[in-house]
Amino acid sequence: QSALTQPASVSGSPGQSITISCTGTSRDIGDYNFVSWYQQRPGRAPKLILFDVSDRPSGISDRFSGSKSGNTASLTISGLQAEDEADYYCSSYRSGTIWVFGGGTKLTVL
Amino acid sequence: QVELVESGGGVVQPGKSLRLSCVASGITFATSAMNWVRQAPGTGLEWVAIISYDGSNKFYADSVKGRFTITRDNSKNTVDLQMDSLGGEDTAVYYCARAPTWQQGDNYYYYYYMDVWGRGTTVTVSS
Repeated sequence: QSALTQPASVSGSPGQSITISCTGTSRDIGDYNFVSWYQQRPGRAPKLILFDVSDRPSGISDRFSGSKSGNTASLTISGLQAEDEADYYCSSYRSGTIWVFGGGTKLTVL
Repeated sequence: QVELVESGGGVVQPGKSLRLSCVASGITFATSAMNWVRQAPGTGLEWVAIISYDGSNKFYADSVKGRFTITRDNSKNTVDLQMDSLGGEDTAVYYCARAPTWQQGDNYYYYYYMDVWGRGTTVTVSS
């Protein structure tokens, strides 16, 4: 059982927007703005797409955005493209633990 | 070219030891914090350990504390993970990942995200 809770799967059609939630506790997401998101394509290493809740690394499309409310963080992908099909993981700093991850969400582009 | 390359994975019997290594290029290794993250077959990511830029601070996940040891050699741009008393639950792909840092005085403090990842090395614990 993962420390952060994500939906197992989400899907959307090209051009649509989808949102993936990530629920933690007051020991992690609720108390710190240190949420990051990673994209992992099959057989590949994870890739950082958002950090500090909503900041994008250089080279990441602005179609990826993040937010947080209370103990839940969210990743939104707008203008869905076939290349977005992947697994997405959230992560957060947790006091006393350093890092915790979510169980991952499989995004299917229909 | 920014790159992290892991090595040392393989098949090992339960109770035995294995040492993983990760060599970095294209990054300022000596001021970077380094992590190991693992992914068991068909499951999600699990953070394993972090070592500060100078090796003075190390933290471990509860699941590996007392069995795994993370070390680094800034002269060789390498970070290692010594894994002892291995069990089936340690079977996974092990990734090396960099946490960038910010400077305050003579110290470097890591940010809470990992921006560079290696391709991973596979560890299988089986008799």
